[in-house]
Amino acid sequence: EVQLVESGGDLVQPGGSLRLSCTASGFTFNAYTMHWVRQAPGKGLECVSSISTNGGSTYYADSVKGRFTISRDNSRNTLYLQMSSLRPEDTAVYYCVTSTTGGPFGPWGQGTLVTVSS
Amino acid sequence: DIVMTQSPDSLAVSLGERATISCKSSQSVFSSSSNTNNLAWYQQKPGQPPRMLIYWASTRESGVPDRFSGSGSGTDFTLTISSLQPEDVAVYYCHQYYTTRTFGQGTKVEIK
Repeated sequence: EVQLVESGGDLVQPGGSLRLSCTASGFTFNAYTMHWVRQAPGKGLECVSSISTNGGSTYYADSVKGRFTISRDNSRNTLYLQMSSLRPEDTAVYYCVTSTTGGPFGPWGQGTLVTVSS
Repeated sequence: DIVMTQSPDSLAVSLGERATISCKSSQSVFSSSSNTNNLAWYQQKPGQPPRMLIYWASTRESGVPDRFSGSGSGTDFTLTISSLQPEDVAVYYCHQYYTTRTFGQGTKVEIK
């Protein structure tokens, strides 16, 4: 069974930093593109960052470019999102999601809540 | 980025009746190289992550009831629930994966 377990969400002050992790199991992690998709409270879905199977190619939404860094450790089956210079508008549930290259999103994790507030 | 626009924003349908949601993309999501429409539909219930219902515009995900169907091509797509059930109350999102991935704003389906 595919499992994606996010962790690292917390309450952080504006301007602060946080690192999210997603531990994967039940599938061949290094064969899948990985993504972070967020959902602000009561709002829609936004794909904020993606990383290719070997980590050589990354994507960032304009809203997080220069502040967030996505990475993966295929030996540990783990995806990361380093978040810095956090803003109140970054408050959201962050989901870890898989896909094949160029394919639809696959299984989603349960999400981890990031709250940016003073 | 491709902008995905869903209509309506909310929909109230009687139990057993048909629900239809439209999704329009600002440019075509059809890939001629693979002959596929790179469009998926997701269902999200409160407190849960999205669940994929339909991919490649019309392929139903395993385990999804056959009352859910997807259609369309190019820039115009439709999700149809043929006979609304109580468990179908949710928000539905379309999603294009042709280029930089984007979602529609969501359509809330309720019971009339």
